[in-house]
Amino acid sequence: SQELEQSPQSLIVQEGKNLTINCTSSKTLYGLYWYKQKYGEGLIFLMMLQKGGEEKSHEKITAKLDEKKQQSSLHITASQPSHAGIYLCGADIRGAQKLVFGQGTRLTINP
Amino acid sequence: DTAVSQTPKYLVTQMGNDKSIKCEQNLGHDTMYWYKQDSKKFLKIMFSYNNKELIINETVPNRFSPKSPDKAHLNLHINSLELGDSAVYFCASSPSMRSPPDTQYFGPGTRLTVL
Repeated sequence: SQELEQSPQSLIVQEGKNLTINCTSSKTLYGLYWYKQKYGEGLIFLMMLQKGGEEKSHEKITAKLDEKKQQSSLHITASQPSHAGIYLCGADIRGAQKLVFGQGTRLTINP
Repeated sequence: DTAVSQTPKYLVTQMGNDKSIKCEQNLGHDTMYWYKQDSKKFLKIMFSYNNKELIINETVPNRFSPKSPDKAHLNLHINSLELGDSAVYFCASSPSMRSPPDTQYFGPGTRLTVL
């Protein structure tokens, strides 16, 4: 089983709707990172969360890390076609100075 | 202006061949990585280098040999290519190596297809 589980694996939403992507681990996360990957391109860094209960926002994207530091959510408000892509969460799970990634969530925005 | 660059972007080759992928970063970072993303989009770390020194080797076959001539470059050489090596290979860099990790910046990827 994956050390980091993302859900859902794919998501299709109507433009303008809100959506949430989750990233869960059974272990404590030493740093949680959200990236976006456009089809056929590299990963673009979105946000990094470190402290339990931490929440960060950038434009219409908000990421939260729960108090136990085992689950993070990424919320997009009023989705736009530019939000389409694959969202990946990555985390340092064992304090091993390396990132383990979830399997990704493919987001499609329908006009 | 490109922060992390990789060449080539696409690589198509026959099984058994040897090939190299080059990576360069102009961010002044100390740490560089190679990741492999398979067809199901699983992204897994292969190697990390800090100041030209190998730090992480994630049980990658010996056919894969990274080389870091200086802090700004980390190349990946693959011998005797196999069908299962087909994937997208990403290079990344970060300011340093610590826990929690510094934010990593990724290159555009090299799509390797082994026929």
